[in-house]
Amino acid sequence: GAGVSQTPSNKVTEKGKYVELRCDPISGHTALYWYRQSLGQGPEFLIYFQGTGAADDSGLPNDRFFAVRPEGSVSTLKIQRTERGDSAVYLCASSKGQGAWETQYFGPGTRLLVL
Amino acid sequence: AQSVTQLDSHVSVSEGTPVLLRCNYSSSYSPSLFWYVQHPNKGLQLLLKYTSAATLVKGINGFEAEFKKSETSFHLTKPSAHMSDAAEYFCVVSTISGGYQKVTFGTGTKLQVIP
Repeated sequence: GAGVSQTPSNKVTEKGKYVELRCDPISGHTALYWYRQSLGQGPEFLIYFQGTGAADDSGLPNDRFFAVRPEGSVSTLKIQRTERGDSAVYLCASSKGQGAWETQYFGPGTRLLVL
Repeated sequence: AQSVTQLDSHVSVSEGTPVLLRCNYSSSYSPSLFWYVQHPNKGLQLLLKYTSAATLVKGINGFEAEFKKSETSFHLTKPSAHMSDAAEYFCVVSTISGGYQKVTFGTGTKLQVIP
């Protein structure tokens, strides 16, 4: 079956611009996560959705970052006034439920480069 | 609070020799523990997980890990390394906090396999 997909795969933008990154989770998965992975680092948690609501957004670095999941499926991560430090790979993952034992299935990521 | 420590950022082994990737965790609650693998330019893939059943967990591609509560460890092993094992490996701790899954990744261990 189809896995988690993310678009675009690569995004180059200029400092100060606005970007949107999209995640299509596995059909039927209620939980959706966004992570940021900088070069040489492990994925860093950003935000977690259970259904349509953001259950935990404690990882968002500042108010330039925002994410939505209006219908409980597709999610969009929005970054305003991008900065060079936002350059990273943004990963999306989904899981069936919210138990600690749930496996997260990852998308291939969006590589964001801010010039 | 929870954390994961991967003690080695790089491990180098010869093909056909054993692999040991170390992981220690800290958690206030009973955790689930995972190992994910990330091949270059590929998405994160689940290797195995511990969810409070058997403490010795077998995963894909001949990998296994043992949960040792007294040592707060979840080291990953494989009896004989293959060239295709060269990748980055992430240890992950997952708990339920406030009714929701909280996931923390380690910083990763890059495995090099020498022919």
